[in-house]
Amino acid sequence: QQQVKQSPQSLIVQKGGIPIINCAYENTAFDYFPWYQQFPGKGPALLIAIRPDVSEKKEGRFTISFNKSAKQFSLHIMDSQPGDSATYFCAASIDSGAGSYQLTFGKGTKLSVIP
Amino acid sequence: GAGVSQSPSNKVTEKGKDVELRCDPISGHTALYWYRQRLGQGLEFLIYFQGNSAPDKSGLPSDRFSAERTGESVSTLTIQRTQQEDSAVYLCASSLDYSTDTQYFGPGTRLTVL
Repeated sequence: QQQVKQSPQSLIVQKGGIPIINCAYENTAFDYFPWYQQFPGKGPALLIAIRPDVSEKKEGRFTISFNKSAKQFSLHIMDSQPGDSATYFCAASIDSGAGSYQLTFGKGTKLSVIP
Repeated sequence: GAGVSQSPSNKVTEKGKDVELRCDPISGHTALYWYRQRLGQGLEFLIYFQGNSAPDKSGLPSDRFSAERTGESVSTLTIQRTQQEDSAVYLCASSLDYSTDTQYFGPGTRLTVL
């Protein structure tokens, strides 16, 4: 089964720190790599996404770094704030040919930002 | 505008009973997905609907699970003869169409099987 391996499981940083969450995948056919943010009791919400044709993408304080040869990608949160405390999921998808962008998710990282 | 809505938000049932979970996608979204999220785990794909095409059922874990969608609107996920291992949060997502990657998730239905 296609897998996306995510680490660490949990992460605690001080306000202003730069948490880094890593993901690795096996299927080289994956062509879309989103990160989702989930607060307790809520559904996941798309945070930022990247395609394999670029090595980095920034949106505000969030940056994805992508290493195609290593089949790894990571999320960096600059100047982290207590409001960033949430569970973060990386994911990957492939156009299955039937038009289905079935997402394969990592197991999630619970981030706590301490004031 | 309104996001994806799901009902009920919580459902407690007894082992062996059938349950129905409902999803209302964002208006105009033709693609609809169901995922399952077990405690401490990532989301597992269950099923995908796109317009009037045959659904992609490749993620359904057993024949006790089924889903329907009426046109491009409401979808229901049915779990028959529920088991304790079915306890999870069931999430629905929709996207504009099959060519759009961005999926918008609902808040989920937390199912507890006693």
